[in-house]
This record gives sequence, structure tokens and C-alpha cells, in this order.
Amino acid sequence: DADVTQTPRNRITKTGKRIMLECSQTKGHDRMYWYRQDPGLGLRLIYYSFDVKDINKGEISDGYSVSRQAQAKFSLSLESAIPNQTALYFCATSDSSGGGYYEQYFGPGTRLTVT
Amino acid sequence: KNQVEQSPQSLIILEGKNCTLQCNYTVSPFSNLRWYKQDTGRGPVSLTIMTFSENTKSNGRYTATLDADTKQSSLHITASQLSDSASYICVVMRGTSYDKVIFGPGTSLSVIP
Repeated sequence: DADVTQTPRNRITKTGKRIMLECSQTKGHDRMYWYRQDPGLGLRLIYYSFDVKDINKGEISDGYSVSRQAQAKFSLSLESAIPNQTALYFCATSDSSGGGYYEQYFGPGTRLTVT
Repeated sequence: KNQVEQSPQSLIILEGKNCTLQCNYTVSPFSNLRWYKQDTGRGPVSLTIMTFSENTKSNGRYTATLDADTKQSSLHITASQLSDSASYICVVMRGTSYDKVIFGPGTSLSVIP
């Protein structure tokens, strides 16, 4: 987990507030991803970026936006937080030269609570 | 519909015992299947990755099997330890792009003394 860091680790915010979650990696990977995890559900892809100029929507992008500031940094923003965005958020990275396995490495997660 | 299902939802076993977790998928086209271990409060960590041509993969006390014909996989844990207590997630990659990865809901394993 140390190669992929996320800040903050925990955050409580109010409905309607804008919040940014940050992810940094030292693995030198070109691909980065944001997922959310809800109890009883599998991780779901929010956004992904294959390089600094390539950003794509995932399965559940509504209500979220992202910014790839550099190869090592990928931020997720909730423009106007709502309670059903309460979840555990994970950043992940992978290397496009991974030989076809596309192994993903996950950060420690950010627990977000919207009241 | 592309889905990954896991069973059981949760499992409690005594330390030292073996257990097997199941994964069924309906993802197509199949690229690879991986098992992750997720400790409480941590991100998932990969245990094994198997492609279509591999039917068994081991990582220490963890052995994963894959039957691509029946679209089933299992993760067998031998001689369980307290540190094996975690959620185990089955993940299937569809095609070759990471925007097409389907995560199972996980099996929560508790190993008790």
C-alpha cells in the first residue's frame, strides 16, 4: 500500500459540500483508477486514466469528476456531495507494459461519510 | 449480463483448518481471473492471476483453480492462520481493457483460535 497513498483516510462532510480525494503513486505506473466500495457490493469503477491526457468515465461517474495533474497524481472530486456517496473509495494503479496481466495495485482507501 | 458471484458470503473456521471459497462468473469475453485479499481498512492485494489456459495457481497456502468451461473458480486456503481473516474478492477481466473489470462482492473469512 505504501506505493499508492490516498488522502484523507477518513472524511466526514455535509450534503452539498465540495470535496476532493487525492491519490499519489510512486510506482511509476501510467494508469490510474478510482473505485468505490459499498457493503455487500463489488468495487465499482468511477473514472480511469491511461495517461495524463486520457481520462475516461467508468460505470458510475455521475456526480464525480477527476483530474490527472501528473502521471503520479489523480484526484477525485465530488462537486456537491450527497448522502448516497457515503462509501469507501479506492485509488489503484497499473502498468500498461504489464505483459497482459494488467495487475492493479490499490491504495489504502478513503472512508467518506456524507451527512 | 456480466456478473461475478461469490459464495459463501461469510465463513468462520477454526485456525489450522482448510477452506474453499467459490466464484462463478458470466463475464464474456474472458481475459483473466484474479483473487484479491482485502484486510479490514486496507486496499485489496492480489493473490493469484489466471488466464484462460491456466487451471491452477498457487501462492503459498493459497491455491486457486479455474474451470473456464463451467466459468467457475475456487480459492483453497490450507492450514488457515488468524491473519487469513479478511475479505476475499474474485475479479474477472473482460477483454483487455481495465474499464471492463468485474468485481465480485467478496467472501468474508474469519479464522478463530
